[in-house]
Amino acid sequence: EDQVTQSPEALRLQEGESSSLNCSYTVSGLRGLFWYRQDPGKGPEFLFTLYSAGEEKEKERLKATLTKKESFLHITAPKPEDSATYLCAVQVTGNQFYFGTGTSLTVIP
Amino acid sequence: DAGITQSPRHKVTETGTPVTLRCHQTENHRYMYWYRQDPGHGLRLIHYSYGVKDTDKGEVSDGYSVSRSKTEDFLLTLESATSSQTSVYFCATWDQRFPYEQYFGPGTRLTVT
Repeated sequence: EDQVTQSPEALRLQEGESSSLNCSYTVSGLRGLFWYRQDPGKGPEFLFTLYSAGEEKEKERLKATLTKKESFLHITAPKPEDSATYLCAVQVTGNQFYFGTGTSLTVIP
Repeated sequence: DAGITQSPRHKVTETGTPVTLRCHQTENHRYMYWYRQDPGHGLRLIHYSYGVKDTDKGEVSDGYSVSRSKTEDFLLTLESATSSQTSVYFCATWDQRFPYEQYFGPGTRLTVT
């Protein structure tokens, strides 16, 4: 059974304190790994897609990496405006997407 | 912002009544998806479409049906709403052309009383 697990469920950081979020997966027919940011009351906002182990992508204070069994979202020197829920999803054969339950990030000024 | 709209944005309905949610896109994406989001479960796929009149079931499809008569529009119907279908519903699109991004609509909050 395809499964996506995100950890931790919640994370509180001081402003400027770097950390990483984890997304591990067990799926057959992986086509891609997607990261999203979701603010309360809104739809998820696309951040990154990773397609092969070893691939990395960056956007401002965020960097996503991919291995054969997991992905990390590294947050460098976070700011309060980075507070949100971060979701990962795997895209499988047939172009279906399976999501993890997310990591709720709070950055304290 | 990606061109995906959902209507209605909020709806309260009674158990046993039919409900239709609409998703409209201006991205010309081939794939469209309906998800529901519930606390503790994350986003779960209900149905998806890979072209006009081409649809398939997701992991939580029981009690839901979909239709796609035009590229732009994807409808989700609850034939007879139940309290367990109280949720936030999101529509999303994806295309296999670069940049391969998945876009989400703003969501519909549905309450079944």
